Amino acid sequence: NAGVTQTPKFRVLKTGQSMTLLCAQDMNHEYMYWYRQDPGMGLRLIHYSVGEGTTAKGEVPDGYNVSRLKKQNFLLGLESAAPSQTSVYFCASSYWEGTDYSGANVLTFGAGSRLTVL
Amino acid sequence: AQTVTQSQPEMSVQEAETVTLSCTYDTSESDYYLFWYKQPPSRQMILVIRQEAYKQQNATENRFSVNFQKAAKSFSLKISDSQLGDAAMYFCAYRSANSNSGYALNFGKGTSLLVTP
Repeated sequence: NAGVTQTPKFRVLKTGQSMTLLCAQDMNHEYMYWYRQDPGMGLRLIHYSVGEGTTAKGEVPDGYNVSRLKKQNFLLGLESAAPSQTSVYFCASSYWEGTDYSGANVLTFGAGSRLTVL
Repeated sequence: AQTVTQSQPEMSVQEAETVTLSCTYDTSESDYYLFWYKQPPSRQMILVIRQEAYKQQNATENRFSVNFQKAAKSFSLKISDSQLGDAAMYFCAYRSANSNSGYALNFGKGTSLLVTP
């Protein structure tokens, strides 16, 4: 099992360019998340999805769009990149197991994608 | 949204010694989950330990244990017999028991732990 795979791992963009980060998981997880990590800020939730075809906004959604057309993939798009979007982006996934959520919803993280916007 | 506060940006411990990392949180909920994640220089997020709020017993995982004080909204991590491999950024995280935010984790800003020989 590969777990959660993020591509690309590194990317440098110019202001105004667009790009898409791909997150793929092979664990059949229902829930997927995109976080960004900035120095001294911890991880902040950008968007999340509770299943195929669903997306919702997190804490810092502005400037990002997401899509979950297939259960295993969660895409994060930047339509017009800004220097403020320079960050490390983490994707994570988790599953929901009926009414017993004591064991469910432990997040599995990808290795991160470092994005620099010049 | 619930606030998670880690008041120690950096901590240092000698090898084989014990260190405690602090975490407090703000919530009006009675049922929730708390986590500690480790992030070594590789950037990979690794789950260290978790605690269900409805359980009074403190969670333990080998050399890692927590002191969960529900009334005080405190969730500290104790690392015993510290090893060089414990050097990392440690994040405390809160997860609501309801589905309003898709069961996403709410993270603190992190504590950087240095382990000296």
